[in-house]
Amino acid sequence: AQKITQTQPGMFVQEKEAVTLDCTYDTSDPSYGLFWYKQPSSGEMIFLIYQGSYDQQNATEGRYSLNFQKARKSANLVISASQLGDSAMYFCAMRENTGNQFYFGTGTSLTVIP
Amino acid sequence: KAGVTQTPRYLIKTRGQQVTLSCSPISGHRSVSWYQQTPGQGLQFLFEYFSETQRNKGNFPGRFSGRQFSNSRSEMNVSTLELGDSALYLCASSFSTITRGNEQFFGPGTRLTVL
Repeated sequence: AQKITQTQPGMFVQEKEAVTLDCTYDTSDPSYGLFWYKQPSSGEMIFLIYQGSYDQQNATEGRYSLNFQKARKSANLVISASQLGDSAMYFCAMRENTGNQFYFGTGTSLTVIP
Repeated sequence: KAGVTQTPRYLIKTRGQQVTLSCSPISGHRSVSWYQQTPGQGLQFLFEYFSETQRNKGNFPGRFSGRQFSNSRSEMNVSTLELGDSALYLCASSFSTITRGNEQFFGPGTRLTVL
């Protein structure tokens, strides 16, 4: 089974609108971390946000927030007030404490339309 | 503060050869992780080094190896190259290990092409 599943290969959003990028994960480890990264066309990976499995509140970083639903094993990224510079690939990732493995999803390509 | 640097940026090799990639982390960072990115397999974790010791390892064959020096610079070596090793190899550094959820800063990557 896939450890990280991103079901949206491509997404479009109007500038200034909010967008949600989906991510579900699979783990039996009670302790894990969830990450979102942005990869522009230049290729460099940019860390956006982190959520720990024991964190009680959803993580937020500026215009980024993570909608963490532990029972559903979902960690969706919400980008508010989209900007043209948000156009990029977005990757969801998970780190399990047991075995210390780090897994990435296949990514979602986001295009912001003016 | 200088970012993560990787050398070389582009590399072309032939099957059977070996290759060494280099990564210099951000000053003060002690953890260096390596990833392979391909269109077919996506991003896959190779290994992580912290204070010159391999702390975590992904599911790659023994042809992929690495090391970290006392100044935290890291090298990754791939021996007996195969066509499937063609990929973008990304290096990331963080202050502590990835197991503590610390933010990782990625380098620009090395694009390896195996002919």
